[in-house]
Amino acid sequence: GDSVTQMEGPVTLSEEAFLTINCTYTATGYPSLFWYVQYPGEGLQLLLKATKADDKGSNKGFEATYRKETTSFHLEKGSVQVSDSAVYFCALMLSGTYKYIFGTGTRLKVLA
Amino acid sequence: EAQVTQNPRYLITVTGKKLTVTCSQNMNHEYMSWYRQDPGLGLRQIYYSMNVEVTDKGDVPEGYKVSRKEKRNFPLILESPSPNQTSLYFCASSLRGSANEKLFFGSGTQLSVL
Repeated sequence: GDSVTQMEGPVTLSEEAFLTINCTYTATGYPSLFWYVQYPGEGLQLLLKATKADDKGSNKGFEATYRKETTSFHLEKGSVQVSDSAVYFCALMLSGTYKYIFGTGTRLKVLA
Repeated sequence: EAQVTQNPRYLITVTGKKLTVTCSQNMNHEYMSWYRQDPGLGLRQIYYSMNVEVTDKGDVPEGYKVSRKEKRNFPLILESPSPNQTSLYFCASSLRGSANEKLFFGSGTQLSVL
């Protein structure tokens, strides 16, 4: 069935380190892909999205490219900050539907 | 301020006692949805609604009911809660549910069923 797989966390990095959080998906058709971020005690917020193959979503220094050939949407940031500490969720919306499927989330901890 | 408001923030109840978690948005959004968040499972969609009187099941609808009588409100009803429904619940909305729109999430409701 349709699913999203994220790398297990937690991921612990030093400030200014390079970040990659892997995300792969299984879905019929051409889903739209998203990264959401959840700060402690809050709801999720959209970080970036891509709606078709080869699109690159970017926001606040984060980037992810929709790779249809590898069914992936990896999240990257060149230099993380302590304020980036949060849980990151990869998600997809199935094409032709209004259903979302989320990954299990990856906790990121950035140390000063 | 544009927001999705859930109430209550925390709720402890006992098995079998009917409860309702309310969700309201002030953005005139047509699309609203409910999720539960469990450790190791991420967020799973319970129900969603495309507009007033239009609802559909998500991936885990068993044991839940919803209604959409007004555009702004989308309550989640647990008619006979059980301990396996202990979870963190989120309501979310977007303008029309399109993939080009972002979901606005509420702050969550932590439910414990004893």
